[in-house]
Amino acid sequence: GAVVSQHPSRVICKSGTSVKIECRSLDFQATTMFWYRQFPKKSLMLMATSNEGSKATYEQGVEKDKFLINHASLTLSTLTVTSAHPEDSSFYICSASLGGPASKAFFGQGTRLTVV
Amino acid sequence: GDSVTQMEGPVTLSEEAFLTINCTYTATGYPSLFWYVQYPGEGLQLLLKATKADDKGSNKGFEATYRKETTSFHLEKGSVQVSDSAVYFCARPPYGGSQGNLIFGKGTKLSVKP
Repeated sequence: GAVVSQHPSRVICKSGTSVKIECRSLDFQATTMFWYRQFPKKSLMLMATSNEGSKATYEQGVEKDKFLINHASLTLSTLTVTSAHPEDSSFYICSASLGGPASKAFFGQGTRLTVV
Repeated sequence: GDSVTQMEGPVTLSEEAFLTINCTYTATGYPSLFWYVQYPGEGLQLLLKATKADDKGSNKGFEATYRKETTSFHLEKGSVQVSDSAVYFCARPPYGGSQGNLIFGKGTKLSVKP
């Protein structure tokens, strides 16, 4: 099946620094990728939809200046958490789809971000 | 808006026990329905899906039937194993949505004891 790779799997950073998370579709082209955030003991919440070659679409309540998304190619989307704070610590997961309303989504392995 | 509601966990079972995890969805449109599984420390993996009413998705001994009349997609397995310990998420796309955007339930943690 299709493979989505996310890197890094774990990262610890100091408060105030920025962290970049990469999401790659390894064997297919993804015009659209999705970024989710998973809070402890809660479900995944969609943060934004990343569109290749255009601006990302952010969900209500997600700060676009804090969570910068770039989708420069059909196989790579990046999420940069800027000026990270401890409350940004979370599990971030990306997904990509082959397209179509019944198409299944392929998820990356997730990134555990810890801000100290 | 669209939503997915699944039973809260955690669920603790002994090996070989029968498993049911309930999931209901808001009845807007005729969405495809999914079950995803997240093993400890890993990302989500598609477990099974159904695309229309009365379809039954199945994989690794797990089954779920798309019930339009009850707007349900309950996950079942006849005999669980320790290796099935994971968090299970029911999901659907938003009404009119495409391209793999999904709405997830809150997840149900399953622990299987030997």
